[in-house]
Amino acid sequence: NAGVTQTPKFQVLKTGQSMTLQCAQDMNHEYMSWYRQDPGMGLRLIHYSVGAGITDQGEVPNGYNVSRSTTEDFPLRLLSAAPSQTSVYFCASSRTGLAQETQYFGPGTRLLVL
Amino acid sequence: NNEVEQSPQNLTAQVGEFITINCSYSVGISALHWLQQHPGGGIVSLFMLSSGKKKHGRLIATINIQEKHSSLHITASHPRDSAVYICAVEGGNQFYFGTGTSLTVIP
Repeated sequence: NAGVTQTPKFQVLKTGQSMTLQCAQDMNHEYMSWYRQDPGMGLRLIHYSVGAGITDQGEVPNGYNVSRSTTEDFPLRLLSAAPSQTSVYFCASSRTGLAQETQYFGPGTRLLVL
Repeated sequence: NNEVEQSPQNLTAQVGEFITINCSYSVGISALHWLQQHPGGGIVSLFMLSSGKKKHGRLIATINIQEKHSSLHITASHPRDSAVYICAVEGGNQFYFGTGTSLTVIP
């Protein structure tokens, strides 16, 4: 199994540009989530999904959209990038929601917004 | 957010030392997780526990639900243990993360 994969590994955007961060898992996990990691702060939840067709907002959802059309994929969209969205983004998945399940993390995407 | 507090923030140890990292939390939880983030950025799950103690190799994790406190111990530390160790708690349908403890083990 490849586990959780993320693309791209690194991206530079200009303010106002849009892009999609890709996340995929091949473990048939139902729960997937997106986090951002900023210096001096813990990981913060952006959006999550408990299964295909179901998404919900986390702690810091503004400026981001998600969809879950398949079990495998959970893309994160930035509609109009802002410098405040400069961060490292991690995608994670687990078998069936949190419920004391091990979380598997992707390698991260470093995003710089100029 | 300050639902999860870790200490110390930074820790430098000599090879072979016994290391303790502490985590306190303020929310009701169903489980607590210890994660390791390598210098390259990847995050791996070390432990998940809801009570008592777990051991994996040189790593030991304990939790006291009444005191809302957990500790991660590393015995006989080695330079390859150098990483950021993150405490995370499950509350409701979300995780709450500590800011991490940066550990450097020097030869």
